[in-house]
Formats: sequence, C-alpha cells, structure tokens
Amino acid sequence: DAGVIQSPRHEVTEMGQEVTLRCKPISGHDYLFWYRQTMMRGLELLIYFNNNVPIDDSGMPEDRFSAKMPNASFSTLKIQPSEPRDSAVYFCASSFSKTSGIGTDTQYFGPGTRLTVL
Amino acid sequence: AQSVTQLGSHVSVSEGALVLLRCNYSSSVPPYLFWYVQYPNQGLQLLLKYTSAATLVKGINGFEAEFKKSETSFHLTKPSAHMSDAAEYFCAVSDRGRDDKIIFGKGTRLHILP
Repeated sequence: DAGVIQSPRHEVTEMGQEVTLRCKPISGHDYLFWYRQTMMRGLELLIYFNNNVPIDDSGMPEDRFSAKMPNASFSTLKIQPSEPRDSAVYFCASSFSKTSGIGTDTQYFGPGTRLTVL
Repeated sequence: AQSVTQLGSHVSVSEGALVLLRCNYSSSVPPYLFWYVQYPNQGLQLLLKYTSAATLVKGINGFEAEFKKSETSFHLTKPSAHMSDAAEYFCAVSDRGRDDKIIFGKGTRLHILP
C-alpha cells in the first residue's frame, strides 16, 4: 500500500494567493482528517470526514479555510486568501471505522505539506 | 473533555540509557491511548496503542508503555536509547469510540547524546 499521499510536499506562495492542498487516503479507509502543525500551537485538528461527509469542522480557523471530499479517494484543503500566519505543515490522515462501528481506529498520516506564505 | 499532558517539551538521554517520556491523560470515560512518533520531515507514525487489554503495551522499535489508571498516566519507555530514536513523540487519547477524534499532546522532542 502506498500510504496516505499528499501533494505538494512544499508550497511557497505570496500573501493573498489561493492555496490548494491535496490528499489521497489509504484505499478502503472511510475517515479522513486534516491537521495543522506549528511550533506555537502544536498539532491541531482542522476538520474530518466520514464516508466523504464533513463531520466536524470546528477546528477550521476561519472562513478563509475550506475543505472538500468529492469522493472516497480524494480531498482538498483550500486557503483563500492566504496569510503569513497560515504558514505551517498540514497533514492529512486516514483510518478505518472500528469493528464495533463506533468511532475510528488508528490514524495513518501522510508526509505533510509544508506551506510558507510570504 | 479529554486531554493529554506531556511533561517536558525536550528530553535528552545518552545513547544506551533508559528513555522515559511522560504522559498524563484526562478522560471522563475509559480511554484509548496512543503514542506516535514523528521523524524529521515526516508524518506521524503509530508506535503503540492501549485499548483495554494488557496494561503493558509493546510497540515497534523496542518501545513500551504502561497504562496506570490510578495515576492517569501512560508513560513511554525504552531500555536502551539508540541514535535513531531521535524524533518527536506525541501522546494521544480518544474516548473509546464515543468520539471519532484523537486528542494529541504538544509533543516531546527526544535528543540522543553520543
């Protein structure tokens, strides 16, 4: 298995530009999570999906951030317009449902996208 | 609400010495507990997890952790540190299926001294 795939691995952009981060989860996983990691705030959950449906977006910092999951094998996180304070490493993770049908099991992380907004 | 507290944002140990990374959790229900490791420029990788079977959990790369309910702790240990263990380690908690989310601690960076 190729694991969780994220692209691009690095993105440098200027303030005000639109940024789109992409994620391909592990085949068969029905949960997908987007995280942001910074030195100051650590690892923060932004949003997660179950069966392509957004379940909890309470971690999305503001309306400039949006996420979609059009199908089981693809998700995007978009920032429009971007700001320097959005500079961070963004991780995507995926997991199976627990066999009990309640909740999710171990999360598998992608390598991350390092975003720098100038 | 659940939370985890990792004591020490940086820990340094000599190669061959005992590694001890501390984690305390708070949960209103019996938790699932995890340790993840992050090597430089990589994503997080599961080291081990506790899901209510044995309280001593063995993971990859010689690491283990012990669930102590009375102390609300889940400390990570390895008897003998290796240079390749240098990484950041995250303790995490979930509420055993009532929620889909895992709550991560702020991480502890482990430095191995030659």
